[in-house]
Amino acid sequence: SQQGEEDPQALSIQEGENATMNCSYKTSINNLQWYRQNSGRGLVHLILIRSNEREKHSGRLRVTLDTSKKSSSLLITASRAADTASYFCVLTGTASKLTFGTGTRLQVTL
Amino acid sequence: EAGVAQSPRYKIIEKRQSVAFWCNPISGHATLYWYQQILGQGPKLLIQFQNNGVVDDSQLPKDRFSAERLKGVDSTLKIQPAKLEDSAVYLCASSARGTPGLNTEAFFGQGTRLTVV
Repeated sequence: SQQGEEDPQALSIQEGENATMNCSYKTSINNLQWYRQNSGRGLVHLILIRSNEREKHSGRLRVTLDTSKKSSSLLITASRAADTASYFCVLTGTASKLTFGTGTRLQVTL
Repeated sequence: EAGVAQSPRYKIIEKRQSVAFWCNPISGHATLYWYQQILGQGPKLLIQFQNNGVVDDSQLPKDRFSAERLKGVDSTLKIQPAKLEDSAVYLCASSARGTPGLNTEAFFGQGTRLTVV
């Protein structure tokens, strides 16, 4: 199925540290998106990387995509308590279908 | 711009009752999604509309769930009759029509938390 698998399932770090979460998938994709979900702001789009791109930055976020390995990573630098949330990678194919995995639960402690 | 609006925010019903959720997408967004999210899991796509046509409803339990998107704008999702396992958050999202074959970001509403007792 067109669903990414995030790894690790849970991650706990201290404020100021970097957080890295990975996504692996099995099918071909048009692009890959990362979303964040917390209780305050709900489910929010973070960044989209197209299949012909290898790296993309947005503020403290860096996303990489390796289509040969069918994997992506999301790096959050200098994490803050407000980054505590679940993070999902979402694969998109030709039909605009958005399929979510189980996510990585990130806990940032003070 | 206004976001995706959903109502109600919370609903408690008894099993075998019926319930309906409403979604107003962002103006001009052609694609509308309904997701079911059970506690501790990722959102599961129930149905996807492109304008007022159904693109994908392969995971919609059609014996009890139904959805419509009249005039390609607002949408309603109905459950009849509800079961205990339908307790979840129901999320609506919309996205603009991007370049054919590519996608743009989806914007999500705050969801409706359904509790079936």
